[in-house]
Amino acid sequence: DAGVIQSPRHEVTEMGQEVTLRCKLISGHNSLFWYRQTMMRGLELLIYFNNNVPIDDSGMPEDRFSAKMPNASFSTLKIQPSEPRDSAVYFCASSPPSGGNYNEQFFGPGTRLTVL
Amino acid sequence: SQQGEEDPQALSIQEGENATMNCSYKTSINNLQWYRQNSGRGLVHLILIRSNEREKHSGRLRVTLDTSKKSSSLLITASRAADTASYFCATVLIQGAQKLVFGQGTRLTINP
Repeated sequence: DAGVIQSPRHEVTEMGQEVTLRCKLISGHNSLFWYRQTMMRGLELLIYFNNNVPIDDSGMPEDRFSAKMPNASFSTLKIQPSEPRDSAVYFCASSPPSGGNYNEQFFGPGTRLTVL
Repeated sequence: SQQGEEDPQALSIQEGENATMNCSYKTSINNLQWYRQNSGRGLVHLILIRSNEREKHSGRLRVTLDTSKKSSSLLITASRAADTASYFCATVLIQGAQKLVFGQGTRLTINP
């Protein structure tokens, strides 16, 4: 298995532009997590899905951020319009069915976003 | 404030020595997990310890959990240069479903 796949790996854009980050889950996993990592704030959970349904989006900074799971293996995180303070590394992670045991999460390599 | 807080924030030791990192948390947990992050990479899961466990081993890793003190420690024995990375503890809250709450991490440097 290739692991969690994220694209692009690097994105440089100008303030006000729309940014779309993509994530492909590991086959068989049914939970998907989007995180943001910065030096100042560390690793923050933005939103997570279970079986394609958003469960907790309390970490989404504001309405400029939106996330979708159009199918069981793919997710997008969109920022529109982007701002310089959105610059960070964005990770997605997936997790297999937990059966109540709350399993480990498997992280992708991240997308480094720079908003100028 | 952070649910999981690692201590120390940075640790530098010589190759071959043991490294100990600590994590404290505030609310009751289902389990606690440790992750490693190499520079510029994603996090990699190392070990999971459940709330009813007190100690767990995996290769050169030893994790302890003291739920009465709400703390955990990660011990890496016989450290190697390749262990240089940031280490994070993450807690799964009892009421938190699958949500992991990460600490700020400990930056470990192993000097050859």
